[in-house]
Amino acid sequence: AQKVTQAQTEISVVEKEDVTLDCVYETRDTTYYLFWYKQPPSGELVFLIRRNSFDEQNEISGRYSWNFQKSTSSFNFTITASQVVDSAVYFCALSETIKAAGNKLTFGGGTRVLVKP
Amino acid sequence: EAGVTQFPSHSVIEKGQTVTLRCDPISGHDNLYWYRRVMGKEIKFLLHFVKESKQDESGMPNNRFLAERTGGTYSTLKVQPAELEDSGVYFCASSPREWRLAGLDTQYFGPGTRLTVL
Repeated sequence: AQKVTQAQTEISVVEKEDVTLDCVYETRDTTYYLFWYKQPPSGELVFLIRRNSFDEQNEISGRYSWNFQKSTSSFNFTITASQVVDSAVYFCALSETIKAAGNKLTFGGGTRVLVKP
Repeated sequence: EAGVTQFPSHSVIEKGQTVTLRCDPISGHDNLYWYRRVMGKEIKFLLHFVKESKQDESGMPNNRFLAERTGGTYSTLKVQPAELEDSGVYFCASSPREWRLAGLDTQYFGPGTRLTVL
């Protein structure tokens, strides 16, 4: 069965510090997708990134970057120069591709990030 | 384009009562999912609709939960009778249908409904 582990339950940093969120996953599938979502205090889950298992290139989007390493089954997320608005709960999720007609997500437990001014 | 909306945002009911949650997906999205997060645990999948058909309901906890999506537009999730352990946040998500790109299915989530059963 698929599983996602986010070992860090809460991280507290001071503004402008970098913060890295760990995500480790387990799957038997050879083709799968990994996601990161952000849950701000307002409650909705905001999609950040999707990465498929064939693409191990790291990705950068503004202050956000993602490091996908298939060899260690990890998909870590780094926020550079953190800001107070980055305070939120961040979820890593996995979707297998066994079925063609849409796939359920398996979520990690989430990491709460608190950025202090 | 409007996002996924859910109603109500918060519901407080007593054990044994019935509650119905509603989800309006993004217009044109065929896939609709329900998830929930109970206190202190991960967000868990409940079920998946493709248009009006239930594609996967393997996550539904028991027969007190009934989901419908008549007409393939909005969906309702009814809990009857509600129990204390049903308390949590219920999320709805939708995604477009891409037959040829199996698995390429970014789900867009609503704000959730917080259910409290007393």
